[in-house]
Amino acid sequence: GAVVSQHPSRVICKSGTSVKIECRSLDFQATTMFWYRQFPKKSLMLMATSNEGSKATYEQGVEKDKFLINHASLTLSTLTVTSAHPEDSSFYICSVGFYSNQPQHFGDGTRLSIL
Amino acid sequence: DAKTTQPPSMDCAEGRAANLPCNHSTISGNEYVYWYRQIHSQGPQYIIHGLKNNETNEMASLIITEDRKSSTLILPHATLRDTAVYYCIVRAALTGANSKLTFGKGITLSVRP
Repeated sequence: GAVVSQHPSRVICKSGTSVKIECRSLDFQATTMFWYRQFPKKSLMLMATSNEGSKATYEQGVEKDKFLINHASLTLSTLTVTSAHPEDSSFYICSVGFYSNQPQHFGDGTRLSIL
Repeated sequence: DAKTTQPPSMDCAEGRAANLPCNHSTISGNEYVYWYRQIHSQGPQYIIHGLKNNETNEMASLIITEDRKSSTLILPHATLRDTAVYYCIVRAALTGANSKLTFGKGITLSVRP
């Protein structure tokens, strides 16, 4: 069964809108979650590491004020794309991380389209 | 993390074994080899991982060379649903939970009828 639930699966909205994407860890607690972005025909690019109870760690070149991450509980991390523009249109995917000898599990992704 | 090199694409016939190669010549002694796949418009799916020994599960087998500089993912009886991009990833063995996965371009496997 699913280990990670991501919602919504698809969202279409107007430019300037803020969009929130949820990532839930099912059946277990996750102190660390990861957020990726994937453009068409490209590989996944890590955006940030979400840490429960503390600030997220952003990868170089990712604007933290643009992509707000909240990890307020051990089962939920949210990514908010603030004032979204067409160039933010992409496939956003979260994963739940464990120790390096255990696999990360991914959500099904959110297709974001900004008109 | 050490980088990996994979051919861009390959194909195989349905029902035959698919052998997907991966080079990771700069891998460190405590780094794991992970394989994921991504079917179009879905999140990556974990397949298998290993450190030194060969591994097998219900999905695939992972063969790691003795020097650990390369590995092969084997899908024993490929089906059309195995058509996907397969990522070979070397992952640092950190003590904490925040061990990143760095995705390369992967290899596109096309299974033909």
